[in-house]
Amino acid sequence: SQQGEEDPQALSIQEGENATMNCSYKTSINNLQWYRQNSGRGLVHLILIRSNEREKHSGRLRVTLDTSKKSSSLLITASRAADTASYFCATLVRGGTSYGKLTFGQGTILTVHP
Amino acid sequence: DGGITQSPKYLFRKEGQNVTLSCEQNLNHDAMYWYRQDPGQGLRLIYYSQIVNDFQKGDIAEGYSVSREKKESFPLTVTSAQKNPTAFYLCATSAGEQFFGPGTRLTVL
Repeated sequence: SQQGEEDPQALSIQEGENATMNCSYKTSINNLQWYRQNSGRGLVHLILIRSNEREKHSGRLRVTLDTSKKSSSLLITASRAADTASYFCATLVRGGTSYGKLTFGQGTILTVHP
Repeated sequence: DGGITQSPKYLFRKEGQNVTLSCEQNLNHDAMYWYRQDPGQGLRLIYYSQIVNDFQKGDIAEGYSVSREKKESFPLTVTSAQKNPTAFYLCATSAGEQFFGPGTRLTVL
């Protein structure tokens, strides 16, 4: 099974509302990253939070990480129709290699209605 | 997508044929990755390369092969041994966070 599991699978909200997506994982990690994917396109990196960090902000994005619960959340405030996309969490576990391996969750499909 | 090109964007192949997907980068990143994405699913790692002339199998390497002769290039060959090759294929590079190419959608007819 995948390292990251996301909840909900789909989220539909109105413009201006906040959107919260959650990600749970199973093993210890070095960092957790959130990515966005517009339909049929590549992924775009949004934000990275290290295992020793608890919260991080970037513009309208707020990410939290709770390593004791092995979970993370992504909050998008004041959502816009242009935020409509799939959002993925990915966990990085470093073994003997310097870059490590990212494991992706199945994603949350966010639809923001104008 | 900047800095990473994948070609072609759409690819059609007959059953039993091998096909090679191109991935080129000008970001000067050492690490490169190939992922497969199926409809409504996350990404699964096929192969990755930390450095030129070295690569490792990911979680679903069976039926695929790669080479890394140049830092800029990491082509993926989908062989006839891959049982269900129709999917969206994404190449990425890394210097911490990962940067993704625009993807190639492969359809086996």
